[in-house]
Order: sequence, then C-alpha cells, then structure tokens
Amino acid sequence: GAVVSQHPSWVICKSGTSVKIECRSLDFQATTMFWYRQFPKQSLMLMATSNEGSKATYEQGVEKDKFLINHASLTLSTLTVTSAHPEDSSFYICSARDRDRPEKLFFGSGTQLSVL
Amino acid sequence: GESVGLHLPTLSVQEGDNSIINCAYSNSASDYFIWYKQESGKGPQFIIDIRSNMDKRQGQRVTVLLNKTVKHLSLQIAATQPGDSAVYFCAENRSAGRRALTFGSGTRLQVQP
Repeated sequence: GAVVSQHPSWVICKSGTSVKIECRSLDFQATTMFWYRQFPKQSLMLMATSNEGSKATYEQGVEKDKFLINHASLTLSTLTVTSAHPEDSSFYICSARDRDRPEKLFFGSGTQLSVL
Repeated sequence: GESVGLHLPTLSVQEGDNSIINCAYSNSASDYFIWYKQESGKGPQFIIDIRSNMDKRQGQRVTVLLNKTVKHLSLQIAATQPGDSAVYFCAENRSAGRRALTFGSGTRLQVQP
C-alpha cells in the first residue's frame, strides 16, 4: 500500500522557536496534501490544503503566517510552526492524495509537538 | 475552536463479541465515506469505505452500513479482538474525493479480554 512518511514523530521545543514537520509520499506522487491538527481526545481538524507548486489554502481561524506550508514537489510538503507557543502543542497529521487514485487519502503517522 | 474537557464516547465490549460503532454526518452532498482506526500516538489507518450509491459493504471482519435517509453510518466489527481497541472515526467527502476529508468526533472502542 501507499506510504506517507511524516517526520519527526515527536518534537519538544522552547517557546518562541520554529519547528518544521515534513510529509513525504514514498511511492506515489501527491498533487495535494492536507494538514490536520488534533488535540487530545478530539477529532482531526483540517488546517490547510496544499497543492504542489501553489500557495496553500488555509481554513478559517488558521494563521497562515504562523503555520507556513510549502509543497515544492510532488512528494514533499512541509509545515513550519513559527514562533511556537504552548497553545500550539498538538498532534499534527498530514495526508496525501495519490495523483493516480484521487479518492484515496493516505495519512502520515503524525507529529506530537510539545512547546515548553 | 478547541473544546476543553471533551471526552470521546466509549464503547466497551467483551472479546469475541460484535461491535457496532455509529456516526452521524451532516452534509447531504457527501458521497463518499470512510472509517478510520486511530491508535494512540499514530495517524489514522484506513479500514473500509463506501460510496453513496451503496448501503452496505463488507470487508474482512468489518461491515459498513450507510443510511442516506437519516445521514447515518455504522461500522460493525465481528468477533472483536483486543487489537481492535482504538479510536474510530468516520469521515466524509464529496466531489469524487477532491476535497479534504471531514472527520466525525470519534468513538473509543475498548475490548475487554
């Protein structure tokens, strides 16, 4: 099956620093990647949609200057949490849509971010 | 925004029993539905999907039922095993999957040995 690699799986950082999370599709080309955030005991909430080669589309209430998304190739999207604060601590999950099988969305294993 | 103190509904079953997890969706335009399993600290894992032109689909030990009239989806797990313990989410999509999935609130399944 298709594999999406998300890295790092967990990260602890100091308040005010920036953290980059990578999402790679290993055996397929992903024209679209989605970034979700999940707080404890809650569902996944869509943050933004990124299309290869174009600017990301952010959901209402998600600050685009704080959550920088880059999707420079068909296999890699990155989410950078800039000037992270404790309230940004969450589980971040990416998903990628296979260009050749657009209905199928494949999920990364998630990144647990803890901001001290 | 974030809901403080939100707890997932929990379904507790005995090992070997059948489990039924329910989900209500709100968008009548949704035409594609998926069930995911999420274990602690991991990303969602695909279980089974169904299109709106079907009302039932079976997989290995799992069955998804779709009732479009009342916008209800259920996941049935036969002979539930301890390894089935996880949080289960339904997700919906429309327009042939061109958009992001919208996830339901989730149900925690606890299997008692």
